[in-house]
Amino acid sequence: GAVVSQHPSWVICKSGTSVKIECRSLDFQATTMFWYRQFPKQSLMLMATSNEGSKATYEQGVEKDKFLINHASLTLSTLTVTSAHPEDSSFYICSALEGDSNEQYFGPGTRLTVT
Amino acid sequence: EDKVVQSPLSLVVHEGDTVTLNCSYEVTNFRSLLWYKQEKKAPTFLFMLTSSGIEKKSGRLSSILDKKELFSILNITATQTGDSAVYLCAVEPNQGGKLIFGQGTELSVKP
Repeated sequence: GAVVSQHPSWVICKSGTSVKIECRSLDFQATTMFWYRQFPKQSLMLMATSNEGSKATYEQGVEKDKFLINHASLTLSTLTVTSAHPEDSSFYICSALEGDSNEQYFGPGTRLTVT
Repeated sequence: EDKVVQSPLSLVVHEGDTVTLNCSYEVTNFRSLLWYKQEKKAPTFLFMLTSSGIEKKSGRLSSILDKKELFSILNITATQTGDSAVYLCAVEPNQGGKLIFGQGTELSVKP
């Protein structure tokens, strides 16, 4: 099946700094990618829909100026958490929609810890 | 507001038992319902259901959808310790691919 990678797999940063997470579709092109956040013992919450070449669509309650999304190519979307705070510590998961099959493939996730 | 609710939230069984996990949903539009298994990392796909009454089966796992009553069940027979995971149900409301997830059911299978 199709493979989606994320980098880094885990990151620890200090409060106030910014962190960039990459999501890549390795063997297919994805015009649409999704970013989810998962807090401990909770389910996945959709943060935003990332479309190649256009602005991301954010879900209600997600600050677009804090979570910057760039989908500059058909295989790469990035999520930048700006001015991170401890409450941003979470598991961030991306998924990519494969155009031909319209199936969604998840990346392995990035665990962010803000100290 | 679109909503997906799973029950139970957690379940402890012994190896060999059969379990049934429930997922009910309320969405404005419905395209498909998906089941995922999550073990520490990102979810892995199990089933996608679009039509009522047609059982999907993969080994010891099976699932069925009832679009009239707006629910789905996931059955696992002859459970094994390797089945221990969080099982997530998600609904795709439209063709854009956006998924709405339920809270998940944490299954623990004891030897």
